Amino acid sequence: SQKIEQNSEALNIQEGKTATLTCNYTNYSPAYLQWYRQDPGRGPVFLLLIRENEKEKRKERLKVTFDTTLKQSLFHITASQPADSATYLCALESGTASKLTFGTGTRLQVTL
Amino acid sequence: SAVISQKPSRDICQRGTSLTIQCQVDSQVTMMFWYRQQPGQSLTLIATANQGSEATYESGFVIDKFPISRPNLTFSTLTVSNMSPEDSSIYLCSVEGPGKAREQYFGPGTRLTVT
Repeated sequence: SQKIEQNSEALNIQEGKTATLTCNYTNYSPAYLQWYRQDPGRGPVFLLLIRENEKEKRKERLKVTFDTTLKQSLFHITASQPADSATYLCALESGTASKLTFGTGTRLQVTL
Repeated sequence: SAVISQKPSRDICQRGTSLTIQCQVDSQVTMMFWYRQQPGQSLTLIATANQGSEATYESGFVIDKFPISRPNLTFSTLTVSNMSPEDSSIYLCSVEGPGKAREQYFGPGTRLTVT
């Protein structure tokens, strides 16, 4: 069966460091991979999308990589700030009907 | 990006009753999605709602339990029927971005507690 795994343990890092979150998947051939941010009591907010034929995408302090051979995406936040503290979700789309399958999310805590 | 509102924001209901959740978008969209997020879990797609056609349900979700309406291009409702405590979740609606954008924009969610 299809499976999307993110580190269920919270990631605690110091302000200014780079946070790296992992998304691994099995039995899936996504056309697109997306990353979302979710704060408590709120809906997810879209951050970045990367296509299957792209290796890397950047947006300001965010960087996403996509390795379809390893079936893995890495999400980096450089120069992290306490305001980056949230749960980060990866989501895969096969390319048909726009349906997203979400991972379990990783909670990031950035401390001073 | 689309602005999405949901009503109610939260509710506490008794088992056996039904609750209808409303989702309003500030622009016309073809597809709307309904998700469930159980406590401590990720989002699970319940169904996709296109205007003018029956909603398409994912495995494990049925129309009798989660009837959906999509009367126009800016509005949809999800009803949670004959509720049990296992239905306690956050229910979220979302829409696709404009044009060929693949990302989705989510409402704030409806927190449902069934006692």
